Order: sequence, then C-alpha cells, then structure tokens
Amino acid sequence: QQQVKQSPQSLIVQKGGISIINCAYENTAFDYFPWYQQFPGKGPALLIAIRPDVSEKKEGRFTISFNKSAKQFSLHIMDSQPGDSATYFCAASTGGSNYKLTFGKGTLLTVNP
Amino acid sequence: EPEVTQTPSHQVTQMGQEVILRCVPISNHLYFYWYRQILGQKVEFLVSFYNNEISEKSEIFDDQFSVERPDGSNFTLKIRSTKLEDSAMYFCASRQGPSPLHFGNGTRLTVT
Repeated sequence: QQQVKQSPQSLIVQKGGISIINCAYENTAFDYFPWYQQFPGKGPALLIAIRPDVSEKKEGRFTISFNKSAKQFSLHIMDSQPGDSATYFCAASTGGSNYKLTFGKGTLLTVNP
Repeated sequence: EPEVTQTPSHQVTQMGQEVILRCVPISNHLYFYWYRQILGQKVEFLVSFYNNEISEKSEIFDDQFSVERPDGSNFTLKIRSTKLEDSAMYFCASRQGPSPLHFGNGTRLTVT
C-alpha cells in the first residue's frame, strides 16, 4: 500500500515535444506529491510538487496533473529540451509533511536534439 | 545557493568492515535524513533525525546502522559491519521546517 508505481521506465522524446510521466499510488493518506529531477552524479532535486486540494499546478514548462479519484498524478514537460534529459522520480508522503518520501522507480528521459 | 555536502563521493570497503558516511546539512536546517538508492532501483527512506534523536526509521535501518550529529555541522551514517547488499548510493538530505528536502550529491558505497 506504500508503493508508488511509475511509468514508463524510459522515454525518448524529440526536442520541442511533450514528455509525459505517470505515477499511481494506493495509500489515500498520501497528501504531498513531489517530482524530483536527477542528473548523473547528482542528488535528486525538487522540480515541482502538488497537494491533493488542486488538480493541476504549472511552473514554467513543467505541469503536474493530479487525479485524486483515480489516485494518479503525472508530470508533463512542454517543449522538451536536451537539457531536460535526466531521471525523473515521482514521490509521495503522508502527514502533511514532505519527509519520509516514498519514491517511484524513476523514468530516464532522453530528449533528442 | 546553500548545498548539502557529502563526503566521500565514493567509498570502497571490504565486507564486515565499518564505514562512516559524512554529511554537512544546510546550516539553518533542523531536520536530517538518510536515503539510499541501490543501482537501478528507487530511492528509499532510511532514517529521519531531529533534535538529536531519530524521529523515524525504516525497516532497512536495522541494528547495523546508526546516525549521529557529533557537532553542530556534521551528520553521519555508520554501518557497523558492511554486507555486499549495502552497496548503494547513500543520500543525505535536510530541510528547515516545512521547506522541501534538499539532497546532497550522494556517496557511492561499494562493498567487496
């Protein structure tokens, strides 16, 4: 019940295209859903996060869509750029905090020039 | 921008040896964490630490593991007797109040 399932495992997108990564969860007590971006040799860095009282949050080219009834959330990267090539992790936590994150398995995004 | 600093970047040790992984959290942060990532797998929570004591730990964090804040700036993870399956990337993280977690760049531990 603590799992966060992430798909796809890898994704190849052309420059300018839209990258979409999906996550699903079971634990209805989760109330904080961040996305992290990780470049090789670096730690995860917070990209964008959402709480379940909103269905969408947009920051620049990055958008989280959240479907509470379906227990799913997704990351959309508009106008994908080669510099966006990285591993993306969705995560979730409970208790109104943003610690003890449960991570998805990650998606390796490659944006071709 | 302040960073979480971890040393060493890569640690190689023999099975059964003790290792200490070191972290310097962001200076005004009060909450400290260790996560690990086995190669090709997801990032997993190990332990959280606040006010000089463990606030929560996962089932991975057994008696072989311990954490300490020996002074006002460092936060360490000790593995007493390493096993092959302890080989992983270990990430330290910190936060201040409700702010997001800030992760370090990790220490790659290789147990041979």
